[in-house]
Amino acid sequence: AQSVTQLGSHVSVSEGALVLLRCNYSSSVPPYLFWYVQYPNQGLQLLLKYTSAATLVKGINGFEAEFKKSETSFHLTKPSAHMSDAAEYFCAVSGARGSTLGRLYFGRGTQLTVWP
Amino acid sequence: EAGVAQSPRYKIIEKRQSVAFWCNPISGHATLYWYQQILGQGPKLLIQFQNNGVVDDSQLPKDRFSAERLKGVDSTLKIQPAKLEDSAVYLCASSLDGAENTEAFFGQGTRLTVV
Repeated sequence: AQSVTQLGSHVSVSEGALVLLRCNYSSSVPPYLFWYVQYPNQGLQLLLKYTSAATLVKGINGFEAEFKKSETSFHLTKPSAHMSDAAEYFCAVSGARGSTLGRLYFGRGTQLTVWP
Repeated sequence: EAGVAQSPRYKIIEKRQSVAFWCNPISGHATLYWYQQILGQGPKLLIQFQNNGVVDDSQLPKDRFSAERLKGVDSTLKIQPAKLEDSAVYLCASSLDGAENTEAFFGQGTRLTVV
C-alpha cells in the first residue's frame, strides 16, 4: 500500500535560512512522488514531482527535492527562505496499479512559518 | 488556460440538512477527483471518475454521499444528510489521463461547516 509520513507538523525558519521539510514514503512499487503547496484559502499547487527520470528534482519557487530509495525519503529543501514561502506543504505518493492508479495519498502536511 | 472551478467557496448548514458542491474541471481532462480535507489533515480521496465512469469510490460514505459526472465534464458531490464530522474542505481536482505520473490540478475548494 502507498503512504507518506511527514515529520514535523510545524517548521519555523528565519528569512534567508535553509528550509527542510521531511517526507518518507512507503510503496509496494517504484513510487511517483509529489510535493504540493497550499496557501490560505487556496487549492493545492504542484511544486515538483519525481517520476524516476532524475533523483534530484527541481521545482518552482527555488524548491528542490531529492529521492533517496535507500532511505525511502523525498525531503523538500530551499536554500534561502522567503516570507512568501509561508504556507502548508504536502507530500504525496501516487497510486500505481489497478483502481488506485493516479490517486494521490497525502501526508498530514507541514505548516511552514517564515520569520523576518 | 482556465483552472478547475468550484462553487460555492463557503457553505454553512445545519446537521441533517443536505448540500451540493459543483466542479468544472480543466477542459479536456478525462480524470476527475473529489478529495476531503479535514482541518489538520491531508486531503483524502472520496471518489475518482474517468470520463463519466467511476474508477474508485471505496472511500465514499455511500449512505450519505453521492457524486456524479454527467457527460464526462462537470461533477457534483452531494451530502444528505450532513453530519458534524463532514465539516471539511472539499477539493476537486482533474488530470489529463489519470496516469500515475500525471499532474493533478486542484480547485480552490469548498469549505463546509456543519453546525
